[in-house]
Amino acid sequence: QVQLVESGGGVVQPGRSLRLSCAAPGFTFSDYAMHWVRQAPGKGLEWVAVISYDGSKKYYADSVKGRFTISRDNSKNTVYLQMNSLRPEDTAVYYCAKEGTRIQLWWFDYWGQGTLVTVSS
Amino acid sequence: QSALTQPASVSGSPGQSITISCTGTSSDVGSYNVVSWYQHHPGKAPKLMIYEVSKRPSGVSNRFSGSKSGNTASLTISGLQAEDEADYYCCSYAGSSTVVFGGGTKLTVL
Repeated sequence: QVQLVESGGGVVQPGRSLRLSCAAPGFTFSDYAMHWVRQAPGKGLEWVAVISYDGSKKYYADSVKGRFTISRDNSKNTVYLQMNSLRPEDTAVYYCAKEGTRIQLWWFDYWGQGTLVTVSS
Repeated sequence: QSALTQPASVSGSPGQSITISCTGTSSDVGSYNVVSWYQHHPGKAPKLMIYEVSKRPSGVSNRFSGSKSGNTASLTISGLQAEDEADYYCCSYAGSSTVVFGGGTKLTVL
């Protein structure tokens, strides 16, 4: 069955970098766009980024544009989020989420359990 | 990319019906029939409850239904059950290849 398993979270100082991974077995990974969504402590969900099924198109929320990079390796069924120049306000649980349709209609049918990123000195 | 507006909390007794509203603008909810709703129990993975305004995924109870009028989408839960107690988030395509979520609504089953 579909599984999404995030890893790579942890405590990092402001200005440093971190790379998150999301392993996604159980479906034809190369057919679907993949998203990252985050939830800051006590806050709601915030969409972060999306990558197309083949990696050719990437889009970001304004809050992370220029600092975060989404990528994927279809041979490893894995999507990544490279986070640079981290700020305290990036502290959140980061979820990866699978696009619900092959034609990308911007809803998410499976989510991972999330990985916590804490940006603090 | 301003968040969609949801009530912070709603409550109802078992067996009752409740509706959660989700208000956006003509640039997001009002322009696209791509509103989805997610149930989130803290510490767990969010779960898709409604997609494309009113469609229900396989396995989701028919007690959950969605609708939209103008810039406002709604999630209705009928026959409330204790297990429905959770946070609920709406989500809409917002154009320019971006997505916006609502602030979330905490549902309490009394």
